[in-house]
Amino acid sequence: SQTIHQWPATLVQPVGSPLSLECTVEGTSNPNLYWYRQAAGRGLQLLFYSVGIGQISSEVPQNLSASRPQDRQFILSSKKLLLSDSGFYLCAWRETRSGPYPLSEQYFGPGTRLTVT
Amino acid sequence: GIQVEQSPPDLILQEGANSTLRCNFSDSVNNLQWFHQNPWGQLINLFYIPSGTKQNGRLSATTVATERYSLLYISSSQTTDSGVYFCAVAGGNYGQNFVFGPGTRLSVLP
Repeated sequence: SQTIHQWPATLVQPVGSPLSLECTVEGTSNPNLYWYRQAAGRGLQLLFYSVGIGQISSEVPQNLSASRPQDRQFILSSKKLLLSDSGFYLCAWRETRSGPYPLSEQYFGPGTRLTVT
Repeated sequence: GIQVEQSPPDLILQEGANSTLRCNFSDSVNNLQWFHQNPWGQLINLFYIPSGTKQNGRLSATTVATERYSLLYISSSQTTDSGVYFCAVAGGNYGQNFVFGPGTRLSVLP
């Protein structure tokens, strides 16, 4: 069965410091991978998605970046955090498949709660 | 892009009551999911339901794709049902990435 991991679970960082959040998926190959952010009491905002190694698409311009160095690894980074980067960061995956619906349902990891002080 | 609306935005129920949550979307889609976000933030898949009706225990969902809405039914609610329920849609003219609704916050009181 497939599982998705995120770490760290919580993080408190000062403004201007760098950020690296990691997401890994087990039990599947060539998944689509996604990074979302959720501000307190709000909905989910898609930040980045990737359809393969080294392939990153950005949905929202900001001071964050993403990388996919391996098939099942997705990393969210920042060189200098802003206060507005605080939030709950969620990684998700979907399986690609043939047929009329080329992507499966989406599954989320446990999330990383980031507080920028 | 596609617009997703959920109603009601907030719902307070007594334990044992039934409820219906609604998701409306502005264009045709070929993917639709319902999620429950528990108080710890974990997003749990409830239903993958591009069309038709599915049931899982006390929960059931119906999607009428031609009329652009989906309904989530919760029967005999329990305090553990509390949290936020999100509808997400994808496909059609707006690509395969899910677009999430704003959610319905459900509080079930003992």
